[in-house]
Amino acid sequence: KQEVTQIPAALSVPEGENLVLNCSFTDSAIYNLQWFRQDPGKGLTSLLLIQSSQREQTSGRLNASLDKSSGRSTLYIAASQPGDSATYLCAVRGGSGNTGKLIFGQGTTLQVKP
Amino acid sequence: ETGVTQSPTHLIKTRGQQVTLRCSSQSGHNTVSWYQQALGQGPQFIFQYYREEENGRGNFPPRFSGLQFPNYSSELNVNALELDDSALYLCASSLPPWYQETQYFGPGTRLLVL
Repeated sequence: KQEVTQIPAALSVPEGENLVLNCSFTDSAIYNLQWFRQDPGKGLTSLLLIQSSQREQTSGRLNASLDKSSGRSTLYIAASQPGDSATYLCAVRGGSGNTGKLIFGQGTTLQVKP
Repeated sequence: ETGVTQSPTHLIKTRGQQVTLRCSSQSGHNTVSWYQQALGQGPQFIFQYYREEENGRGNFPPRFSGLQFPNYSSELNVNALELDDSALYLCASSLPPWYQETQYFGPGTRLLVL
């Protein structure tokens, strides 16, 4: 059974700091991994999608990496801003017996202080 | 191009009642998935519809049912509501092939069961 874990559960950093959010999964037979952002009480905004054959994806100040063999992904945020404060969720699609659904971690809640 | 929309935004029901939630997928997206997100948790997969057929189901009882219409919009129906059904219900759509493409989420419907 695929399980996704995100560490830490919460993170507080001063503005301007570079930071890394971690995501690990137990079954490496995935199609892809997706990072999302969720503001309080809101839906999910897709940030980056990494296919199983890819090692990383970049969008602006965000860079996500994928190491399928070790079951790990990281989301790197450069030069953090107060507007980056939100909960970040990673989700994997695939794994034994799991054909299409996304399996989510519990998220990392980020606070960037001015 | 409009994004994924959901209605209503908020809903209050009493235990034992029935509820219908609605989702309009993004243009051209023929796959719709529904997720339940309890407070402080990651979203949990309920089921997925592809070309009007259920295409995968999570660990939810049969009182959770759905439909997808020819225009790819979708409904989630929950019968005999229980207190634990209180959650944010998220709808997501994607282009084919659904297992490779980014899932785009709507803003969610917040359901409170009293």
